[in-house]
Amino acid sequence: KAGVTQTPRYLIKTRGQQVTLSCSPISGHRSVSWYQQTPGQGLQFLFEYFSETQRNKGNFPGRFSGRQFSNSRSEMNVSTLELGDSALYLCASSEASSGNTIYFGEGSWLTVV
Amino acid sequence: GQSLEQPSEVTAVEGAIVQINCTYQTSGFYGLSWYQQHDGGAPTFLSYNALDGLEETGRFSSFLSRSDSYGYLLLQELQMKDSASYFCAVSGQAGTALIFGKGTTLSVSS
Repeated sequence: KAGVTQTPRYLIKTRGQQVTLSCSPISGHRSVSWYQQTPGQGLQFLFEYFSETQRNKGNFPGRFSGRQFSNSRSEMNVSTLELGDSALYLCASSEASSGNTIYFGEGSWLTVV
Repeated sequence: GQSLEQPSEVTAVEGAIVQINCTYQTSGFYGLSWYQQHDGGAPTFLSYNALDGLEETGRFSSFLSRSDSYGYLLLQELQMKDSASYFCAVSGQAGTALIFGKGTTLSVSS
């Protein structure tokens, strides 16, 4: 089985721009969650989708949004980028609706300049 | 607030045993997980405890005491390849939203 696939792997954006990151979960996995990883804050939960519905949301501003499609693929969007949004964005998928095991993709490295 | 505490760094030599502790304070608790992350790589799942006690998976074991809000990861017969960051994470609510600790950097030397 292919793992969790995230695109793009690396990108550089300018302050004020927006960005869309994509995630394809492991085949058969219906739950997708997103995390932001920075050296200072560590791994922080952004949001989680299950069957196209956002089930949980972390403590991030409304500039961060996401969605899930009927094929379980997910996208996250960050609008009006700030320098502090520079981070590794990780997508994870899980087979069950309350997965105790989540499988991470390699992540998308976002640099905001 | 919700928080997980784990040591920032641990050093050990090949063949040794190391224990990484994690204490948590969360509003809900469904289970404690451990993840390993090598530099530049993605976190990978190591173990999960929903109930009190010890779970063993090869060289790695994980322990949970819900009454103490405490768990640990035990790594035995350390190898150089075990040098990585280790994160404890709590499932505080239904679903796959995890609250992660800041991570423990393990350095294994020969």
